[in-house]
Amino acid sequence: AQTVTQSQPEMSVQEAETVTLSCTYDTSESDYYLFWYKQPPSRQMILVIRQEAYKQQNATENRFSVNFQKAAKSFSLKISDSQLGDAAMYFCAYRSATTSYDKVIFGPGTSLSVIP
Amino acid sequence: DSGVTQTPKHLITATGQRVTLRCSPRSGDLSVYWYQQSLDQGLQFLIQYYNGEERAKGNILERFSAQQFPDLHSELNLSSLELGDSALYFCASSSLSSGGSMFFGPGTRLTVL
Repeated sequence: AQTVTQSQPEMSVQEAETVTLSCTYDTSESDYYLFWYKQPPSRQMILVIRQEAYKQQNATENRFSVNFQKAAKSFSLKISDSQLGDAAMYFCAYRSATTSYDKVIFGPGTSLSVIP
Repeated sequence: DSGVTQTPKHLITATGQRVTLRCSPRSGDLSVYWYQQSLDQGLQFLIQYYNGEERAKGNILERFSAQQFPDLHSELNLSSLELGDSALYFCASSSLSSGGSMFFGPGTRLTVL
């Protein structure tokens, strides 16, 4: 069974600085998707970024980028120029691309604080 | 706005009662997922439906049930409620066109007193 691990329960970053959140996963599949979701204090789950495993190029969405290392089964999220609004819980998630419409597996989350 | 709607936003009820949570997926999305998130905890997968059929089941209690209707909206029924059922219940939807991405509704906050 697939698992997702986030080893940093809490992290903090100074406003305007860069922070990297770690995620590792375990799977025997070769084709899958990886996601980062953000959950601010409002508790809304917001999709931040998506990576397809067959693509070697790392995904980027404005200030958010990922470092996808398929062999190491690592998927870290880098937030550049951190803003106060980035303070949230961040969840890493995995989804199989070979099993149609399978469930998405979430990691335990990393709580990010942004210091003014 | 993700396009996924959930009603009600808040629900307060007593132990032993039964409630129904409703979800409307994004237009065109055939898959609906239900997740439970207790206070300060992660997301627990409950159940998934695709075009009216159950596709995957997670840690869903026997007191809980769900269904997806022909118009693709879904309902999660929670019965014989206990204090520990108090949580945020999320519905999410996805489709082939979203490339595996799952979009969440705002959630229903259930409080059992």
